[in-house]
Formats: sequence, C-alpha cells, structure tokens
Amino acid sequence: AQSVTQPDIHITVSEGASLELRCNYSYGATPYLFWYVQSPGQGLQLLLKYFSGDTLVQGIKGFEAEFKRSQSSFNLRKPSVHWSDAAEYFCAVGPAAAGNKLTFGGGTRVLVKP
Amino acid sequence: DAGVIQSPRHEVTEMGQEVTLRCKPISGHDYLFWYRQTMMRGLELLIYFNNNVPIDDSGMPEDRFSAKMPNASFSTLKIQPSEPRDSAVYFCASSIVTARNTIYFGEGSWLTVV
Repeated sequence: AQSVTQPDIHITVSEGASLELRCNYSYGATPYLFWYVQSPGQGLQLLLKYFSGDTLVQGIKGFEAEFKRSQSSFNLRKPSVHWSDAAEYFCAVGPAAAGNKLTFGGGTRVLVKP
Repeated sequence: DAGVIQSPRHEVTEMGQEVTLRCKPISGHDYLFWYRQTMMRGLELLIYFNNNVPIDDSGMPEDRFSAKMPNASFSTLKIQPSEPRDSAVYFCASSIVTARNTIYFGEGSWLTVV
C-alpha cells in the first residue's frame, strides 16, 4: 500500500529565511509525486510535480523539490520565504498509470514570522 | 480557463437534512474525484469516476453518502441524512490522462451540520 509521511506538523520560519519541508513516501513502483499548497479557506493548488527525468523540479512561487529514490524522499524547498507563503503544504504520491488515485500526507503548516 | 467549480462554497444545515454538493470538472477532463478534508483524518478520497463511471467508491464512509456523474460536466455528492460528524470540507478534483493525471482541485464546499 502506498503511504506518505510528512514528519513536521508545524514549521515556523522567519521571512527571508530558507524553508525545507520533508516528505517520505512508501510505494511499490515508480511513483508520481506532487506538492500542493492550501492557503486558509482555499482549495489545493499544485506547486510542482515529478514524473521522471531530472530529479530536481521547479515549481511555481519559487519552490523546488528534489526526488531522492534511495531515500524515498521528495523534499520541498524555497530559498527565501515570503509572508504570503504561510499556508499548509501537502505532499502526495500516485501511480504512474491512469486513474491517479493520490495518497496525501498529513500536511505541514508553515507559519512565517515577520 | 475555468478551473473545477464547486457549489455551494459554504453550507450550514441541520442534522437529518439532505445535503447535495455539486461539481463541474475542467472541460475535457476524464477523471473526477471527491475528497473530504477534516482535522482528524486529513484528506481522504471518497470516490472517483472515469468517463462518468464510478471506478472506486471504497472511501465512501457509509450508505448515507452517494455520488453520481450523469454527464462529463457535472457530478453530485449527496449526504442523506446528514450528521454532525459529516462536517468537513469536500473537494472535487479532476484530471486527464494526457496530462499524466495531474489532479486539479476546486475551492471546496465547507459543510457544517448542526
């Protein structure tokens, strides 16, 4: 069975500092990996995705993520956080096949200090 | 392009009443998903459709929940009778095989059952 673990429930970071959110997955085959962001009262917005190829993927809003197969990880990073990045972030894994039944992690809530 | 459109955005109803949530997927998408988000259980997949046909409803909590997709541009999730523990955010999402199944979410329907 597939599963996603986001070890950090909350992270507080100062504006302008770097941010890294951890994601570990368990999957029996080649996974498709996603990061979504949810601002308060909003739906989920796709930040970036990994299917194959270059293991460092760029997304919107200055985010990037690195796929490390040996560590079963897909960590999300941003070099310099803005106050508007305060939100909840979800990592998800799904099959490389039709009918993408995504499994989501529990989410990491990011607070940004001025 | 219009995204996934859900209605109502917010609903407050009394226990025992019927609730119908509506969804219009992105035009041309062939998969439609219904997710539920709660503090306790996070994001859960309730059911998904492919070409209007229900494929997996194993996440539907009980018989009080039903979902239909009468055509490619419309789906409903119905709860009858509603209970306070059904209070949650219900997300509709859609995807298309040719886009490697990247899932796009609606803004959610925020349901409160009192």
